[in-house]
Amino acid sequence: DVKVTQSSRYLVKRTGEKVFLECVQDMDHENMFWYRQDPGLGLRLIYFSYDVKMKEKGDIPEGYSVSREKKERFSLILESASTNQTSMYLCASRRDPPGEQFFGPGTRLTVL
Amino acid sequence: KNQVEQSPQSLIILEGKNCTLQCNYTVSPFSNLRWYKQDTGRGPVSLTIMTFSENTKSNGRYTATLDADTKQSSLHITASQLSDSASYICVVSAVTSYDKVIFGPGTSLSVIP
Repeated sequence: DVKVTQSSRYLVKRTGEKVFLECVQDMDHENMFWYRQDPGLGLRLIYFSYDVKMKEKGDIPEGYSVSREKKERFSLILESASTNQTSMYLCASRRDPPGEQFFGPGTRLTVL
Repeated sequence: KNQVEQSPQSLIILEGKNCTLQCNYTVSPFSNLRWYKQDTGRGPVSLTIMTFSENTKSNGRYTATLDADTKQSSLHITASQLSDSASYICVVSAVTSYDKVIFGPGTSLSVIP
């Protein structure tokens, strides 16, 4: 079974702090994704990566950056957290399109 | 604009009853449509996938239908169980250079005893 793990289930940070969210997959998948999920809005794509050291902006990249130095790991970085970044963050991976995306359990981030 | 809409927004049904969730999309060019189930506090898990040529797909008590002409899909749940309580998300992929995926807002289903 594919396993996608995220570094934290719950995280509380203060405005202006730098925040790292890490995601690791164990199935040698090429593609990895970061989404945020807010009530009534569904999942929105922040960034994705189709290979090591490659990254592409999604629909809402502002205020975020990413890093993919190794195939199994995809990190989401909030350089200076703001209250409007309070959300559920979901990481996903897939082998290649149009394959199924496998999701991690999510990180609920609260920015105070 | 590529969009996926779902109805109803939320639904409460009695255990053992059937229900049908709806998905309308305006995604083009169409690649495939998936239904995901998301339990509270967990990531979504795929239930079914359908391509343009398929109009029905079953996974146990879950049956998905697709009408590519009207751009509508439904997810029918038979003999509901308490464990079916979850959010159900319709996800449509477009054929682009990188298979763009568009998520619907989800339908929150509550099954009560």
